[in-house]
Amino acid sequence: EIVMTQSPATLSVSPGERATLSCRASQHINSNLAWYQQRPGRAPRLLIYGASTRATGIPARFSGSESGTEFTLTITSLQSEDFAVYYCQQYNNWVTFGGGTKVEI
Amino acid sequence: QVQLQESGPGLVKPSETLSLTCTVSGGSISPHYWSWIRQPAGKGLEWIGRIHASGTTKFNSSLESRVTMSVDTSKNQFSLKLHSVTAADTAVYFCAKVFGAGYLYFDYWGQGTLVTVSS
Repeated sequence: EIVMTQSPATLSVSPGERATLSCRASQHINSNLAWYQQRPGRAPRLLIYGASTRATGIPARFSGSESGTEFTLTITSLQSEDFAVYYCQQYNNWVTFGGGTKVEI
Repeated sequence: QVQLQESGPGLVKPSETLSLTCTVSGGSISPHYWSWIRQPAGKGLEWIGRIHASGTTKFNSSLESRVTMSVDTSKNQFSLKLHSVTAADTAVYFCAKVFGAGYLYFDYWGQGTLVTVSS
């Protein structure tokens, strides 16, 4: 099983600032990585797939990148609605999710 | 716009079978893949498995011995059964649409339904 490790567990930022979230895969996953946003009481929402492609309707302030087995989600100029939990998910070998990063004020 | 809605009992007794149905609207269940994902309160997401509209399935190896999934294309529904449940199976259960074959990420989700396992 591919293990996905997200860091930090909690990220404290202010509105308007940049947030950088990390996700590491236990083995190479060929860019087969997605990011989701989950607000309290809501279902996850697909943000990024293919490590760096924004899903339909996702604002340009969300971007994804990769370097080997390290993946990054960057949110520039945080808006109030961006405070949520973010999950990465690999789909190179079936499915595993990371433990999540909570972005809080 | 595809929409998904989970339905089923919110309370299941230990050792019994959890049964949920996902109804798809705004699009056909064929020829797509569909998944079930769960989330215990305050915890992360766990993939349960996926089913194709043709009925072929693949399950998370950690749950495979207790899971069955089925599809009813005439009703545009797919279903989950989790057998021999324990308190550890208490979670919000989501159904979701898989983007496509070989692309096992999820572009549409149901709102989720809480299932509690308790006597």
